Amino acid sequence: AQTVTQSQPEMSVQEAETVTLSCTYDTSENNYYLFWYKQPPSRQMILVIRQEAYKQQNATENRFSVNFQKAAKSFSLKISDSQLGDTAMYFCAFIATSGSRLTFGEGTQLTVNP
Amino acid sequence: DTAVSQTPKYLVTQMGNDKSIKCEQNLGHDTMYWYKQDSKKFLKIMFSYNNKELIINETVPNRFSPKSPDKAHLNLHINSLELGDSAVYFCASSLLNTGELFFGEGSRLTVL
Repeated sequence: AQTVTQSQPEMSVQEAETVTLSCTYDTSENNYYLFWYKQPPSRQMILVIRQEAYKQQNATENRFSVNFQKAAKSFSLKISDSQLGDTAMYFCAFIATSGSRLTFGEGTQLTVNP
Repeated sequence: DTAVSQTPKYLVTQMGNDKSIKCEQNLGHDTMYWYKQDSKKFLKIMFSYNNKELIINETVPNRFSPKSPDKAHLNLHINSLELGDSAVYFCASSLLNTGELFFGEGSRLTVL
C-alpha cells in the first residue's frame, strides 16, 4: 500500500516571498505520478502541478515548481513570489500508473500574509 | 460548462434519514470516484467505477451504496444517516491509469 506524508500541518509566508511545502511517500512501485492539489476556501480541488516518476526533470508551472527526489521518495513544492490567492490547503498525492487509487497526504494549510 | 458536477452542493438532514448525491462528468472519462473529506480535511477514497464496474470499494459501511448507470454518472446513496457521516463528499473522474483526477465542487453533508 502507498502512503503519503506531509509533515507540516500549517505554514505561513509573507507576500512576494518563497515557501516550500514538504511531502514524502512510500511505495514499492517504480512507475507512478505525483501531484500537488490546492484547495482554497471555496472548497474546489485544483491541480497545481504534476510529475511523472520516469522524468528526471522537475516539473514547473509558472511560480510553482517541484523538487522530485525519487531515491529519497520526496516531492516538495516551491511557491515563488507568493500571492494572497495562494492561501489554501495544499495536498500532495500519489497514484501508481498501474493503479486507480489516488492517495492523498494529510494536507498543509498555507497562509500568505500581506 | 462544468466538467464534473455534483448535486446538491449542501445537504442538511436528520439522523436516520436516507439521502443521495448525484455526480455527472462531461469529460468523456471512463473512471469515476467518490472521496470523503472529514472535518480534519483528510481525503479518503470510498469507491471507484470504471465503465460502470466497481473497481475500488474501501472499508465503507454498507449504508453507503454507489450506483453508476453509465460511465458519465456516479451517484452515492446513504441509508440511515449517522452523525459521523457529516463531511464533504467529492466526486471525481479520470481516464484510467492516467493519474490526474478532475474533481467536482464537493457536497457538504450535515447530519443533525
